Amino acid sequence: EVQLLESGGDLAQPGGSLRLSCVASGFTFSSYAMTWVRQAPGKGLEWVSSIHGGVGGTYYADSVKGRFTISRDDAKNTLYLQMDNLRVEDTAIYYCAKDSVTNNGIFDGFDVWGQGTMVTVSS
Amino acid sequence: DIQMTQSPSSLSASVGDRVTITCRASQSISSYLSWYQQKPGKAPKLLIYPASSLQSGVPSRFSGSGSGTDFTLTISSLQPEDFATYYCQQSSRTPPLTFGGGTKVEIK
Repeated sequence: EVQLLESGGDLAQPGGSLRLSCVASGFTFSSYAMTWVRQAPGKGLEWVSSIHGGVGGTYYADSVKGRFTISRDDAKNTLYLQMDNLRVEDTAIYYCAKDSVTNNGIFDGFDVWGQGTMVTVSS
Repeated sequence: DIQMTQSPSSLSASVGDRVTITCRASQSISSYLSWYQQKPGKAPKLLIYPASSLQSGVPSRFSGSGSGTDFTLTISSLQPEDFATYYCQQSSRTPPLTFGGGTKVEIK
């Protein structure tokens, strides 16, 4: 079964750091681009960051650029999101998602999503 | 950056109704458009990608159309399990991979 399992969400103070992990199973992880999407309470979906498969290029939303770092460890089938200098407005459920098409240089629709992990930033 | 505008933001409909949701891109995105369904407390589910290709396992009452800047998601006969929020998203070789604001489909 194709599956994504996020962890690492927690309560953090403004200016603090968290690292989210997303463990993949059931597919060849290295062959797919991966993405983080977040959803603030009661709000819509917001794209956060994406990384191509293999030696992947990385991309960030302006709202997190310079504060968040996406990375992947293909040997461990794991996607990461290092979140530094957290702000109250980063409070959200964070989902990892798998591209629907194997490495083709395009970020396609996301066909597999994790269950999400909650990040709360508050003093 | 490409902006995605969805309309309406919400609608009320009855079981059996035909429902249409539109999504407009601020510049051409060819057919690189996804539609998702999200139910409360759940992760989004990919319905259609690219613009008119139904994902495996998605009921045939869902359909997508359009290319360039104007896209449509249609539910031909609304079922009780279809009450949810729907999002469009533009796909790209170069992010940001913008989502539309969402359309909440509620029971009339």
